[in-house]
Amino acid sequence: ERVMTQSPATLSVSSGERATLSCRASQSINSNLAWYQQKPGQAPRLLIFGASTRATGIPARFSGSGSGTEFTLSISSLQSEDFAVYYCQQYNNWPLTFGQGTRLEIK
Amino acid sequence: QVQLVQSGAEVKKPGASVRVSCKASGYTFTNNYIHWVRQTPGRGFEWLGMINPSGGSTSYAQKFQGRVTMTRDTSTNTVYMDLSSLRSEDTALYFCARVLGENYFWDWGQGTLVTVSS
Repeated sequence: ERVMTQSPATLSVSSGERATLSCRASQSINSNLAWYQQKPGQAPRLLIFGASTRATGIPARFSGSGSGTEFTLSISSLQSEDFAVYYCQQYNNWPLTFGQGTRLEIK
Repeated sequence: QVQLVQSGAEVKKPGASVRVSCKASGYTFTNNYIHWVRQTPGRGFEWLGMINPSGGSTSYAQKFQGRVTMTRDTSTNTVYMDLSSLRSEDTALYFCARVLGENYFWDWGQGTLVTVSS
């Protein structure tokens, strides 16, 4: 099983600044990584797939990078609606697995 | 627009079974696999398995083999997830989710809270 480790657990950033979230896989997952955003009481929303491709309707301030075992989600110029929990998910191997999440909070 | 609407919250006793439904609309039901994922504060997200609504074939996570069954009804565009021999650790928010090809989740149901308690 591919273990996905996200860091940090909590990230405090001011509105308008840039946030960088990390996700590490225990073994290579190529570029088969997705990122999701989840707000309280809601289902997750797909942001990024293929490590770097934005899903439909996702603003350009969200960008993903990485391959192999190291991945990054960057959010430039944070907006109020971006403060949420972010999860990575690998789909290179069975079973599908998720990271434990990074909570992005307002500083 | 694509919608996945799940059944309501359930409270079950240990040892019982639960059925959660996921009704799809806004797309051709048989075109896309449906997966089930659950979320708990302690263990995060866990993938349970998937079903191909076209032929009904399934694939389950090894952890849940023997306890989970996924079925579909093409006449109502509904997928069902049955989980048996419930224990307290199965208390979670259960989601159905649609994939378009590769196994990441484009669309999600609203979630169904299953509580297992004596």
